[in-house]
Amino acid sequence: GAGVSQSPSNKVTEKGKDVELRCDPISGHTALYWYRQRLGQGLEFLIYFQGNSAPDKSGLPSDRFSAERTGESVSTLTIQRTQQEDSAVYLCASSFTTGGTEAFFGQGTRLTVV
Amino acid sequence: DAKTTQPTSMDCAEGRAANLPCNHSTISGNEYVYWYRQIHSQGPQYIIHGLKNNETNEMASLIITEDRKSSTLILPHATLRDTAVYYCIVRVLLGDYKLSFGAGTTVTVRA
Repeated sequence: GAGVSQSPSNKVTEKGKDVELRCDPISGHTALYWYRQRLGQGLEFLIYFQGNSAPDKSGLPSDRFSAERTGESVSTLTIQRTQQEDSAVYLCASSFTTGGTEAFFGQGTRLTVV
Repeated sequence: DAKTTQPTSMDCAEGRAANLPCNHSTISGNEYVYWYRQIHSQGPQYIIHGLKNNETNEMASLIITEDRKSSTLILPHATLRDTAVYYCIVRVLLGDYKLSFGAGTTVTVRA
């Protein structure tokens, strides 16, 4: 596709349920990033992938959060046993290299935990 | 650890130039200055980046002081669609992977 695609665009889930958020990066981009943005706040780095491996998971808020990437393409961010504080927009970005070029962002998935 | 300091907000008149300042007094020699913006309900959008020379593209100009401790993003003819939060970010060009976003400057362009 022409840009980074995220799905679903909106997700409402009940507290305690698991959710999966999907990111389709720009074709050929080896680096992929996940961020979280709570309402009215800045972007919080969660995790980054170089290829299919995740060298840095330090931003994941708890062990309820996990992410994987397959085929150097699609990535899924999974949140288990969702809590109300998980409500946020989850943004995915991709770039050609880890540092050399700009990152392109998707439109995000708005997660609401009720 | 905030590497950049930006004003919280600023207003700009439509059609006029918008000058957005950023202080990065602890910047290292191998760190670049990046600018992104985030229009309401959208993902961040890359604007421009530079090392020490001034840069210009179709969106904006970036002026970096000689000591590299501060920079200014210039939107030459602001439009209502430029209303957004603008983020100034310091980042090494190679070997770093995070874009660490601060609070940014909320720019409101008024007709």
